[in-house]
Amino acid sequence: KAGVTQTPRYLIKTRGQQVTLSCSPISGHRSVSWYQQTPGQGLQFLFEYFSETQRNKGNFPGRFSGRQFSNSRSEMNVSTLELGDSALYLCASSEGSGPNSPLHFGNGTRLTVT
Amino acid sequence: AQSVTQLGSHVSVSEGALVLLRCNYSSSVPPYLFWYVQYPNQGLQLLLKYTSAATLVKGINGFEAEFKKSETSFHLTKPSAHMSDAAEYFCAVRPSITQGGSEKLVFGKGTKLTVNP
Repeated sequence: KAGVTQTPRYLIKTRGQQVTLSCSPISGHRSVSWYQQTPGQGLQFLFEYFSETQRNKGNFPGRFSGRQFSNSRSEMNVSTLELGDSALYLCASSEGSGPNSPLHFGNGTRLTVT
Repeated sequence: AQSVTQLGSHVSVSEGALVLLRCNYSSSVPPYLFWYVQYPNQGLQLLLKYTSAATLVKGINGFEAEFKKSETSFHLTKPSAHMSDAAEYFCAVRPSITQGGSEKLVFGKGTKLTVNP
């Protein structure tokens, strides 16, 4: 089975622009989560989608949004980019089979905002 | 809110030595606990998870973790370190009371393991 695929791997944007990141989960996985990883704040939860519905949301400003499609693929969007948005964005998928269901992570998209 | 604390942001061991990475959780009820490893320029890979079926959990690459309720700990160990174990390790907890069945994980700050030849 193919793992979680995130595109692109690297992205350089300018302050004020917007960006869209893409994630394809493992086949059969219905839950997709997004995390932001920075050296200072570590891994922070952005949001989670299950069957096209947002099931949980972290403490991020409204500039961060996401969606999930009927094939479980997900996108996240960041508008009006700030320098502090530079980070590794990780997508994870899971079977959604219960609280012991582990997350499976992609290799991330490294976003640099200049 | 449930959280995990990883003691030691950096741990250095010699090849062949015992690896001990510490994780303590804050929870009034038994949580769901996980250990992940991250190699440079990669995502996180699951090492093991606590399922409540056994307090000693065996994972991949020779790692294991012991759940100790009395100490609210879930430390990760490996008897003999290998150079390929050099990476960053994250302990994570899934809140036992979740919003709508959410599978959100709360991660510790991570421990960077260095293995010296």
